[in-house]
Amino acid sequence: DGGITQSPKYLFRKEGQNVTLSCEQNLNHDAMYWYRQDPGQGLRLIYYSQIVNDFQKGDIAEGYSVSREKKESFPLTVTSAQKNPTAFYLCASSGTGGGLPLHFGNGTRLTVT
Amino acid sequence: DAKTTQPPSMDCAEGRAANLPCNHSTISGNEYVYWYRQIHSQGPQYIIHGLKNNETNEMASLIITEDRKSSTLILPHATLRDTAVYYCIVRGAGNQGGKLIFGQGTELSVKP
Repeated sequence: DGGITQSPKYLFRKEGQNVTLSCEQNLNHDAMYWYRQDPGQGLRLIYYSQIVNDFQKGDIAEGYSVSREKKESFPLTVTSAQKNPTAFYLCASSGTGGGLPLHFGNGTRLTVT
Repeated sequence: DAKTTQPPSMDCAEGRAANLPCNHSTISGNEYVYWYRQIHSQGPQYIIHGLKNNETNEMASLIITEDRKSSTLILPHATLRDTAVYYCIVRGAGNQGGKLIFGQGTELSVKP
């Protein structure tokens, strides 16, 4: 089945540690995105990539980093510089034609203590 | 991207049609209307989208007013599994298209 896989579903880290969240898609989509969702709130864009080896900052990129070395993979690193890293992280992908919808993975819930 | 306004919550009886409204009065000509839904602790699920014309798929129908300032998502025969938060989003095509602006959405409760 084609889709987006995020792993792990739950992740626990100590404060001060960097952590990398995985996102893989087999939909042959050019564009990939990372969003953060906090309780009772909508999604906020962290980073997005329209093509391999290129990515752009979203609205809340501070404290995060990404890479896009392969079309199917877009890992997100939450660094120790991110002041409030505990959140639900969602990865999405889409084609780059006008009007094409984003398709989301099932998320990774990160808890930092 | 244009902002959307939705009622915070709605109830619907099982088997009846659920009509979820959305206002997007500042929508521009090249912006599409998308609907997603999210069940707790899962990723948003794409439902349907449209530009000008009404659209229908196996999940729902989307009715867009002629002036495009509002739309309605219709779930024709709601089931208990349709209980979720429904998001109406306006998104332009192009390089900034990934910048989906999710509001608070409508929490739909389907009751037996």
